[in-house]
Amino acid sequence: GAGVSQSPRYKVAKRGQDVALRCDPISGHVSLFWYQQALGQGPEFLTYFQNEAQLDKSGLPSDRFFAERPEGSVSTLKIQRTQQEDSAVYLCASSGGGSYNSPLHFGNGTRLTVT
Amino acid sequence: AQKVTQAQTEISVVEKEDVTLDCVYETRDTTYYLFWYKQPPSGELVFLIRRNSFDEQNEISGRYSWNFQKSTSSFNFTITASQVVDSAVYFCALSEATGGFKTIFGAGTRLFVKA
Repeated sequence: GAGVSQSPRYKVAKRGQDVALRCDPISGHVSLFWYQQALGQGPEFLTYFQNEAQLDKSGLPSDRFFAERPEGSVSTLKIQRTQQEDSAVYLCASSGGGSYNSPLHFGNGTRLTVT
Repeated sequence: AQKVTQAQTEISVVEKEDVTLDCVYETRDTTYYLFWYKQPPSGELVFLIRRNSFDEQNEISGRYSWNFQKSTSSFNFTITASQVVDSAVYFCALSEATGGFKTIFGAGTRLFVKA
């Protein structure tokens, strides 16, 4: 596709459930990022992949959060045993360069609500 | 530590007015990039501009202009003759050469342009 695609667009989970959020980056983009955006705030970095390698996961808030990109293309962010504080919009971004100066191309995000 | 501050939470203007969005950043790096992104109601952040720390030349693109001043650690964004379609949340962001691959975002400024 032409842009970054994320699914589902909305997800409602009961506290304690596991969820999986999918990101399909722009074809050929080596870099893939996950960000978390709370209401009224800017995006906060979660993790970064260069191809299939997860080079930085310093932003993942707890060990309940896990991300993978096994074939260097599609990525999945998994949250186990969801808590109310996990409610946020999860944004995926990709970039063609593998450098800190590359602009990010974002998807529309997945809005997660934990009840 | 790196930080981006957008002190204006919300700005409301009438169409055709000029408006400036402020951005102040903190970094210890001498090599870094600054960005502006636009987030319309649809939710997808859109890249607007990138500026590196060695290039203080102001830039103009149509109705948009950016003023980068290292002396005050500011990277302000001006929209001339604003239009209703400019209504969105605007984010200033910073990435550093030694900061890994993460981009640090400000909290955003919500711009309302009234007809």
